[in-house]
Amino acid sequence: DQQVKQNSPSLSVQEGRISILNCDYTNSMFDYFLWYKKYPAEGPTFLISISSIKDKNEDGRFTVFLNKSAKHLSLHIVPSQPGDSAVYFCAASARTGANNLFFGTGTRLTVIP
Amino acid sequence: DVKVTQSSRYLVKRTGEKVFLECVQDMDHENMFWYRQDPGLGLRLIYFSYDVKMKEKGDIPEGYSVSREKKERFSLILESASTNQTSMYLCASSSKDTQYFGPGTRLTVL
Repeated sequence: DQQVKQNSPSLSVQEGRISILNCDYTNSMFDYFLWYKKYPAEGPTFLISISSIKDKNEDGRFTVFLNKSAKHLSLHIVPSQPGDSAVYFCAASARTGANNLFFGTGTRLTVIP
Repeated sequence: DVKVTQSSRYLVKRTGEKVFLECVQDMDHENMFWYRQDPGLGLRLIYFSYDVKMKEKGDIPEGYSVSREKKERFSLILESASTNQTSMYLCASSSKDTQYFGPGTRLTVL
C-alpha cells in the first residue's frame, strides 16, 4: 500500500512560470518530509525538507508547503528554469528523521524554454 | 561534501549469475540503504543497515542479500540473477536530516 502518493506522473511548465508538484500521504504519524530531484542516470539529490512543526519552508526558488490536516504537501518552483527538468520524488518519515523514508512514485517535470 | 560511490554505473549479467553491487560512503554514516527504482514504482527499499554486520529487510528483500563488514561499505548481492531484477539500483547513506544517494547502477539481466 503506497503511503506516499504523487498522482501526477508528469508536468510541463513554461520557463519563468511557477511549477507546483503535489504529494499526498496517508500515514498521520509522518512528521518529516523531503523532496529529492533526480536527473536521468544519476542518483536523487536532496532539495528541501520540512518538519511537521512548520507549514512552509523556503530555499531560494524552492518552497515546500505542508497542510497536515489534508495530509498534503507541495513543492513550488519559481521561476522555473530548463535545468529544473527532472523527476521529483517526495518522501516522508515517522519520527526517524531521514531514516526509514517512504517515497512517492515521482513526477517528471519538463520546463519548456 | 558527502560522497557515495557505487562500483559500476552499468552492468549486464546473465540469468542465474551471482551479482555483487558495491557501495562506499565517506561520511562515517551509520545507516546505509539499498533501493531499486523502476518506472511508475518510485524507490523501493530492499535492505538497510544501521551498523556494521547489522541488516534489516526492507519492502522487497526477496532474491537479494546484503553484507556490511565495514562501516563505509554496504554490498548488495543477487544470489541468482533473474530478468525481473533488471532495474536501477541506488545506494544511500543517511545523516539525521537527509539521505545521500550514489549515482546508481543500471543492471540488465539477460
